[in-house]
Amino acid sequence: AQSVTQPDIHITVSEGASLELRCNYSYGATPYLFWYVQSPGQGLQLLLKYFSGDTLVQGIKGFEAEFKRSQSSFNLRKPSVHWSDAAEYFCAVGPRGTYKYIFGTGTRLKVLA
Amino acid sequence: DAGVIQSPRHEVTEMGQEVTLRCKPISGHNSLFWYRQTMMRGLELLIYFNNNVPIDDSGMPEDRFSAKMPNASFSTLKIQPSEPRDSAVYFCAGSGLSGDTQYFGPGTRLTVL
Repeated sequence: AQSVTQPDIHITVSEGASLELRCNYSYGATPYLFWYVQSPGQGLQLLLKYFSGDTLVQGIKGFEAEFKRSQSSFNLRKPSVHWSDAAEYFCAVGPRGTYKYIFGTGTRLKVLA
Repeated sequence: DAGVIQSPRHEVTEMGQEVTLRCKPISGHNSLFWYRQTMMRGLELLIYFNNNVPIDDSGMPEDRFSAKMPNASFSTLKIQPSEPRDSAVYFCAGSGLSGDTQYFGPGTRLTVL
């Protein structure tokens, strides 16, 4: 069955520290991969996406993600977190050629001053 | 571009009342999605339109839910009669011709008392 796992429900980091949010997926072929961020009371904003090619993808707000086929992972990283990064982060997979995204359950990030 | 527009942003109603949520997608986007987000179930796809035609409504929970897209720039999601368990955040999202990336609106937070 297709699934997306974000194993960390909550993560707390200090401002300026590095960040890695984990995402693993289960799917028969390499799907499209996405990271979205949701600030409190807001909609989902696309951070970055991977379709093909270079497995290290750069996104907005200084985020990047690396696709690792062997591990079925698409982890999100940021070298130095800002207080404004506090939000909920969703990983999603979209089977190629279809519209049905599968969303992870989200990771809520707290940033300590 | 103003992005996906949803109205109202917040709706509080009493059980049994009719609720209508509205969405204006990004101009040129020919696919439209309605999602529901709850703590218990995360993000669920309710219905998918392509070129104003409902393609997949398998996620619509009950006959109390209905959605329409009378033209390319407007869609509604109606709940009649509403129940407390319908309380959630409802998102509208759209994607362009390639259908690969979905862009979300800010959502409507619905509370049914």
